[in-house]
Amino acid sequence: DARVTQTPRHKVTEMGQEVTMRCQPILGHNTVFWYRQTMMQGLELLAYFRNRAPLDDSGMPKDRFSAEMPDATLATLKIQPSEPRDSAVYFCASGFRTGGRADTQYFGPGTRLTVL
Amino acid sequence: GQQLNQSPQSMFIQEGEDVSMNCTSSSIFNTWLWYKQDPGEGPVLLIALYKAGELTSNGRLTAQFGITRKDSFLNISASIPSDVGIYFCAGQFNGKAASNFGNEKLTFGTGTRLTIIP
Repeated sequence: DARVTQTPRHKVTEMGQEVTMRCQPILGHNTVFWYRQTMMQGLELLAYFRNRAPLDDSGMPKDRFSAEMPDATLATLKIQPSEPRDSAVYFCASGFRTGGRADTQYFGPGTRLTVL
Repeated sequence: GQQLNQSPQSMFIQEGEDVSMNCTSSSIFNTWLWYKQDPGEGPVLLIALYKAGELTSNGRLTAQFGITRKDSFLNISASIPSDVGIYFCAGQFNGKAASNFGNEKLTFGTGTRLTIIP
């Protein structure tokens, strides 16, 4: 049963610290998404990649957030420096797109980040 | 960012009752998706709809793609305790293959929290 995996599942850190979240997409999927979920804003798209190339990061605060895909099996989301308002659950999702209809997105279990 | 309007925001029902929820948008979509999220987990896809007017079932769940392409509906029949959770709709607009940028982006609804009263 192929699944998206995310590490860590929980992270508590102090303001100003660097946070790195990792995601392993489902093998064979060529699109990776990063979302943030909060009570106030719901699920927001931060960035996404296809074939490891960033396609859209307009939802991400550029001054402190960065997203990369070092290889096809790993996506990372970094926050430096972290702030209390970054506290949220961060989800990674993967899918496969070829031609017209985009495949549906499969979500990982999320990383719950708390910044004190 | 943009969110779709889902209603109701929350529902309290008894086991065995049927459930209906809907999702509306000011923009048209050509794909509607329904997800369920359990506590501490990511959303899990329940049903995908690709055509206006389409009616699709998955067990006790039935979803419909509205004719206007600006709304979608989800029904759950004979609810059971494991139906508890938050249900999200999501809309997607897939352009032609030649203009791939942004096509995969999902716009999510605000969620409907379903609680079953013992």
